[in-house]
Amino acid sequence: QVQLQESGPGLVKPSEDLSLICTVSGGSVTSEKSYWSWIRQTPGGGLEWIGHIYYSGNTNYNPSLKSRVTMSIDASKKQFSLTLRSVTAADTAIYYCARDNGYPNNWFDPWGQGTLVTVSS
Amino acid sequence: DIQMTQSPSTLSASVGDRVTITCRASQSISSWLAWYQQKPGQAPKVLIYKASTLQSGVPSRFSGSGSGTEFTLTISSLQPDDFATYYCQQYHSYYSFGQGTKLEIK
Repeated sequence: QVQLQESGPGLVKPSEDLSLICTVSGGSVTSEKSYWSWIRQTPGGGLEWIGHIYYSGNTNYNPSLKSRVTMSIDASKKQFSLTLRSVTAADTAIYYCARDNGYPNNWFDPWGQGTLVTVSS
Repeated sequence: DIQMTQSPSTLSASVGDRVTITCRASQSISSWLAWYQQKPGQAPKVLIYKASTLQSGVPSRFSGSGSGTEFTLTISSLQPDDFATYYCQQYHSYYSFGQGTKLEIK
């Protein structure tokens, strides 16, 4: 059974870049059915999809964040990553990685446990 | 982008009650809707997808209905483990979530 685990710094300074990695176990990131997503949850509880990446490297990003987001994938390490540039306090959130199984199964399952990232000087 | 609006934001109920949560989309999303349950300190867990299909392992007291712009999640008889926050999510165009409904013990 596929499991996901996020890792990265818990504290980032304003204007710097936030970088996170998701490690996949129990399955392959090269599954043709799977898209690998990043989702964040603000302190108020709202959930926001950030974007996803396919094993080929093709990406789709939330238009509201597109100018600041880059995702990449390393199949050999069974990892995919998120970089969010020029962060502000509004980027403080729990960041989750998750899988969606592509059209028409585009719901998220499973999710990682999440990692809290705080933006503060 | 598609906005998802849930109601109510908070719902107080007792064990054994039947409860319904509503989710409305700002435009038609056909049946491309999922429901999630989230407990404190945990990631969301999918309960229902394609508006009414129960995810494997989810108790049958959970059910979903609707299409187009209006959807409901119903719990037929609340159990103690069901007190949590529930989110809807559309996957018709990109992905977006409702703001959540917190189900509290009355």
